[in-house]
Amino acid sequence: GDSVTQMEGPVTLSEEAFLTINCTYTATGYPSLFWYVQYPGEGLQLLLKATKADDKGSNKGFEATYRKETTSFHLEKGSVQVSDSAVYFCALRIGDYKLSFGAGTTVTVRA
Amino acid sequence: DADVTQTPRNRITKTGKRIMLECSQTKGHDRMYWYRQDPGLGLRLIYYSFDVKDINKGEISDGYSVSRQAQAKFSLSLESAIPNQTALYFCATSESAGTGVDTQYFGPGTRLTVL
Repeated sequence: GDSVTQMEGPVTLSEEAFLTINCTYTATGYPSLFWYVQYPGEGLQLLLKATKADDKGSNKGFEATYRKETTSFHLEKGSVQVSDSAVYFCALRIGDYKLSFGAGTTVTVRA
Repeated sequence: DADVTQTPRNRITKTGKRIMLECSQTKGHDRMYWYRQDPGLGLRLIYYSFDVKDINKGEISDGYSVSRQAQAKFSLSLESAIPNQTALYFCATSESAGTGVDTQYFGPGTRLTVL
């Protein structure tokens, strides 16, 4: 079935470091891909998305490119801040509603 | 005010008790969802509803039931809670298909502990 695999955490970084969270997917069709972020004590928020191959989603300094050839959607940010400390979820959608989530990656940024 | 609210935010209960988790939304969305989050497993879909008269099971519906009382309200019940239902529960909403907007909006979550 359709599934997402993302790198295990936790990830601990210093401020201004480069962040990469790997995400790969398995899907029978042509999924849309998403990154959601969950800040402490809050629900999930959509961070960015891409709906077709080679699309790049971006938001708040984060970027991810939909790579069909490697079935990947890795999340990157060039210079993280303490406020980026959160749990990040990669997800895919086949059809018009069902989201399949990865296990989540906890990121902690230290000042 | 938050667009998607959940009550209670935290609940501790005992095995065998009936529990209801409530979700309300002010976004005017037709579609609503219930997920549970477990460490290392991400979010899994329990039930979803595309409108007031449409209720569907998700991937892990056993032991749960839902009620869509109105467009804005979607409740999740555990008829007889068991310890492996201890988890973080999220409600989410989205617009209908065909609107071109597919984002799901999540509530803040309910942390349920079953002793």
